[in-house]
Amino acid sequence: GENVEQHPSTLSVQEGDSAVIKCTYSDSASNYFPWYKQELGKRPQLIIDIRSNVGEKKDQRIAVTLNKTAKHFSLHITETQPEDSAVYFCAAVGNYGQNFVFGPGTRLSVLP
Amino acid sequence: KAGVTQTPRYLIKTRGQQVTLSCSPISGHRSVSWYQQTPGQGLQFLFEYFSETQRNKGNFPGRFSGRQFSNSRSEMNVSTLELGDSALYLCASSLEGTDNQPQHFGDGTRLSIL
Repeated sequence: GENVEQHPSTLSVQEGDSAVIKCTYSDSASNYFPWYKQELGKRPQLIIDIRSNVGEKKDQRIAVTLNKTAKHFSLHITETQPEDSAVYFCAAVGNYGQNFVFGPGTRLSVLP
Repeated sequence: KAGVTQTPRYLIKTRGQQVTLSCSPISGHRSVSWYQQTPGQGLQFLFEYFSETQRNKGNFPGRFSGRQFSNSRSEMNVSTLELGDSALYLCASSLEGTDNQPQHFGDGTRLSIL
């Protein structure tokens, strides 16, 4: 079955710097890759997603890139702010109807 | 539109008891997935229900079971509770279409086993 690895497990950046989180997946049939942000004590919330027919997607300060050949995808956050501090989870989903497989998460701390 | 609603929010049980958690998906969503979240363990997939049928199942023992009703509401049951079952249980719903759709999470039920 699908296996998703995520690095780094913790990341500290200075406010205003960029942050990059990388995930790798094992199943070449996976075609949907969402990213979730979970603030302390809150529910995971979808922040951006990408499908396998697209190489990059941007939404303001957040972008996701996908390399299908290497089977990895990355989350890029620019101009980080303290409110970006949270745990970020990536996921990979295979063919339609299959379950989401989540990475172990990255704890991002943005230092003021 | 109301989000995913989970009840109860908090629950305290003792070893050996059983518990039932409830999840009401977003209106129109027919897929409901359940996850167990423990500190440092991420989101562990339990099972997914679609149209009252279990469509996918994770690697949890048979003490964990679920069901889905005709209105898409779902329940999860854990029998013979163990200390290690203490966790945040999250459910997520998604809109079925012709392609994979994002999941939307509830606030979770925090289960504590004494």
